[in-house]
Amino acid sequence: QSALTQPASVSGSPGQSITISCTGTSGDIGAYNYVSWYQQYPGKAPKLMIYDVSDRPSGVSNRFSGSKSGNTASLTISGLQAEDEADYYCFSYGGAFGTGTEVTVL
Amino acid sequence: EVQLVESGGGLVQPGGSLRLSCAASGFTFTTYWMNWVRQAPGKGLEWVANIKQDGSVKNYGASVKGRFTISRDNAQNSLSLQMNSLRADDTAVYYCARNRGYETFDVWGQGTMVTVSS
Repeated sequence: QSALTQPASVSGSPGQSITISCTGTSGDIGAYNYVSWYQQYPGKAPKLMIYDVSDRPSGVSNRFSGSKSGNTASLTISGLQAEDEADYYCFSYGGAFGTGTEVTVL
Repeated sequence: EVQLVESGGGLVQPGGSLRLSCAASGFTFTTYWMNWVRQAPGKGLEWVANIKQDGSVKNYGASVKGRFTISRDNAQNSLSLQMNSLRADDTAVYYCARNRGYETFDVWGQGTMVTVSS
């Protein structure tokens, strides 16, 4: 149950696109198409943004998209906005969250 | 409105025990796996435990196995976490979360803070 690896921080200017990676192994991310992504503001509960690698729950902006290749999953935020500044976590089969990525909008 | 509300957090001494509760409303509680997820101050998320709809299957993270017990009362739409032999590194905000499908938490509570300190 080792934590999945994410970059500590990613930044971008408003309107740009950024991608957050989440690297695991063939035993977790690579095993099934069960990767979810969560957005968390300071002091708040996490919010589901993507599930089953690339599906979006109702109400989540289509600026958020997910993908997977081998043992690495990715979350892309297009048209970056100030409100996207938050922490993001991935989660996959095996019960491990990613280490978390702080997104900064410049 | 779909809602999860945790309670029971507080300050406890190392080696002590604490029981957390989560009240569910706005959905059919008996049809979902349920989870506890925690977050130490300034740290990332850590999955703690989950329980099947009928309570027949329970899974635990390595750091809490043998010390924590998850349970549910479907008649009361409630989820619990009994925490024994608490250590300083159990200090965290504990969230109750609903499972959607596989490896997905679609509804979260607001969290309850547990502090283990002498």
